[in-house]
Amino acid sequence: DAGVIQSPRHEVTEMGQEVTLRCKPISGHNSLFWYRQTMMRGLELLIYFNNNVPIDDSGMPEDRFSAKMPNASFSTLKIQPSEPRDSAVYFCASSLIGGQGYGYTFGSGTRLTVV
Amino acid sequence: AQSVTQLGSHVSVSEGALVLLRCNYSSSVPPYLFWYVQYPNQGLQLLLKYTTGATLVKGINGFEAEFKKSETSFHLTKPSAHMSDAAEYFCAVSEGQAGTALIFGKGTTLSVSS
Repeated sequence: DAGVIQSPRHEVTEMGQEVTLRCKPISGHNSLFWYRQTMMRGLELLIYFNNNVPIDDSGMPEDRFSAKMPNASFSTLKIQPSEPRDSAVYFCASSLIGGQGYGYTFGSGTRLTVV
Repeated sequence: AQSVTQLGSHVSVSEGALVLLRCNYSSSVPPYLFWYVQYPNQGLQLLLKYTTGATLVKGINGFEAEFKKSETSFHLTKPSAHMSDAAEYFCAVSEGQAGTALIFGKGTTLSVSS
């Protein structure tokens, strides 16, 4: 298996632009998680899905952030409009529901820079 | 609500010395506990986990951790540090229920000097 695939690896955008981050989970996994990593706040859970349904989005910082999972093999995290304080590394991870004992598999992350 | 506290944002050891990274957790139900490692510009990789059973768990690269319920701790150790162990280490907790998310500590950066 190719693991969790995130794209793009790096994104530089101007303030006010729309940014879309993409994630392909491991085939067969039915839980998907979006995390944001910054020096100041560490790893923060933004939102997670079980069977393509959003379960907890309390970590989504503002209405500018939205996430979708239209099918079991694809998810997006969108920021519109982007701001410099959104600069961070965004990680996607997947697992099996009930498979928390096995931990998550993380993607390599998308480094977002908003200038 | 669950939480994780990692004591010490930065730990420095000499090659061959004992590595001890501290983690304390808070959970209202029996927890699942994890240690992850992150190398520069990479994602997180699972080192080891505790779910149930034996409280001393062994992971990859010679690391191990012991679950101590009375101390709400899950400290990570390695008897002899190697230069390649230099990385950031994250402790994480989940409630052990199906479909719940991992909550991570803020991480500890391990430096290893020769």
